[in-house]
Amino acid sequence: DGGITQSPKYLFRKEGQNVTLSCEQNLNHDAMYWYRQDPGQGLRLIYYSQIVNDFQKGDIAEGYSVSREKKESFPLTVTSAQKNPTAFYLCASSSPGQLVGKLFFGSGTQLSVL
Amino acid sequence: AQKVTQAQTEISVVEKEDVTLDCVYETRDTTYYLFWYKQPPSGELVFLIRRNSFDEQNEISGRYSWNFQKSTSSFNFTITASQVVDSAVYFCALRPASGGSYIPTFGRGTSLIVHP
Repeated sequence: DGGITQSPKYLFRKEGQNVTLSCEQNLNHDAMYWYRQDPGQGLRLIYYSQIVNDFQKGDIAEGYSVSREKKESFPLTVTSAQKNPTAFYLCASSSPGQLVGKLFFGSGTQLSVL
Repeated sequence: AQKVTQAQTEISVVEKEDVTLDCVYETRDTTYYLFWYKQPPSGELVFLIRRNSFDEQNEISGRYSWNFQKSTSSFNFTITASQVVDSAVYFCALRPASGGSYIPTFGRGTSLIVHP
């Protein structure tokens, strides 16, 4: 079955530590996105990538980094510069060839600080 | 700039009641898409519907219906005869249909709780 896989489901970060959230898709989608969800805040865009080897900052990119070396993979690193990383992180993808604008989401990663 | 407002933070109903979730948007684009997504407790957002700005026909899918009114910039979602399984957070979203970066803007979501 095609879809988006996020791992791990739960992740704990120590002070000063960088952690990486994995996002893999087998939908052959060009565009991928990372969103952060805080209670009552909705979804806020961290980074997005429209094509391999290219990505753009979203609204809240500070303290985060990404890479897009392969079409199917878009990992997100939460760096020690992100002082309030506790949140639910969602990865998504889309393709202009399908229902335009429709996002396909992973099941998310809950990141907490120890 | 785009903006999506879901003024209802949380709605609580009893099973079999009808419930309407409001969505009001702002955009300067002449063509755009509107979406509704459902986020059950499992966390994964599930696509429900997409509406083009040039198509103001209302849509019904089973117990779900959507009322798009361009004149009031609203795209409201009604669940008829609600069920416990409808309990979730519902998000409205807006995306330009041309130009720009094609990045959708989400509202803050409405948490729907359906009591048995």
